[in-house]
Amino acid sequence: DVVMTQSPLSLPVTLGQPASISCRSSQGLVYRDGNTYLNWFQQRPGQPPRRLIYTVSNRESGVPDRFSGSGSGTDFTLKISRVEAEDVGVYYCVQGTHWPWTFGQGTRVEIK
Amino acid sequence: EVQLVESGGGFVPPGGSLRLSCVASGFAFRTYTMNWVRQAPGKGLECLSYIDTSGAKFYTDSVRGRFTVSRDNAKNSLYLQMNSLRDEDTAVYYCSRDGGAFDLWGQGTQVIVSS
Repeated sequence: DVVMTQSPLSLPVTLGQPASISCRSSQGLVYRDGNTYLNWFQQRPGQPPRRLIYTVSNRESGVPDRFSGSGSGTDFTLKISRVEAEDVGVYYCVQGTHWPWTFGQGTRVEIK
Repeated sequence: EVQLVESGGGFVPPGGSLRLSCVASGFAFRTYTMNWVRQAPGKGLECLSYIDTSGAKFYTDSVRGRFTVSRDNAKNSLYLQMNSLRDEDTAVYYCSRDGGAFDLWGQGTQVIVSS
C-alpha cells in the first residue's frame, strides 16, 4: 500500500500567520491518465471531511483562496496564507491513484 | 440538493452483522464510482471499498471476505454488508463519491461493535 506521511502532526498557528503542511507518498502518484490524484481535506470536529484541494492544486468551489496546494512526484504541500479561526481542524492528504487509496495521519491545526 | 445520507449503524456484538445504506440525491448516481470510508474513534480515515459504474468491486485487506459492497442504481443507493464484525470495526462509516476524488461525503453512521 502507498504510505502517506504528513508533517507536522500538530501545527499551532497565530491568527493571520501562514501555515504549511507537508505530505509525502511512498510511491509516485501519477495515474495512467496523466493526472495526479492527490487531494487535501479539512475535517472540523463532529463533521465529515470536506475536500479543499483536488489533483494537487485545484481549489474546490467555495474554498477561500488563502488555501493552496502544490507539489509533484512524491512531495506535496498545503498552504494557508493567513490562518483564520475557522481553519481550526484536522487536515488530511489522500492519494486516489493506487488502490487501496490511502490517507495521511492528519495534521491538527490549532490557534496559539 | 446534492447529498449522501447514510443509515443502518448501531450496536452489534462481536461476530455479528450489519447492513449500511447510503442514499444519494441531486446527481446522476449511476454515473459515479462510490466508496465506503471509515474513521475509528480519535483516529484517521481508512478507505474500505469501492464499486465502480460497471459494478466492479474492490476491498482493502482489512475487510476483504467480511464486507460486501453493492449498489442499486434504480434506488440511488449504495450498501455495505458487514459480517463477522470485530471490535476494531467500531467507527463512523462514511459513503463518498467519485472514487479517489472523494468529492462528496455523507454525514456518516456510527457502528459500535461491543459485547
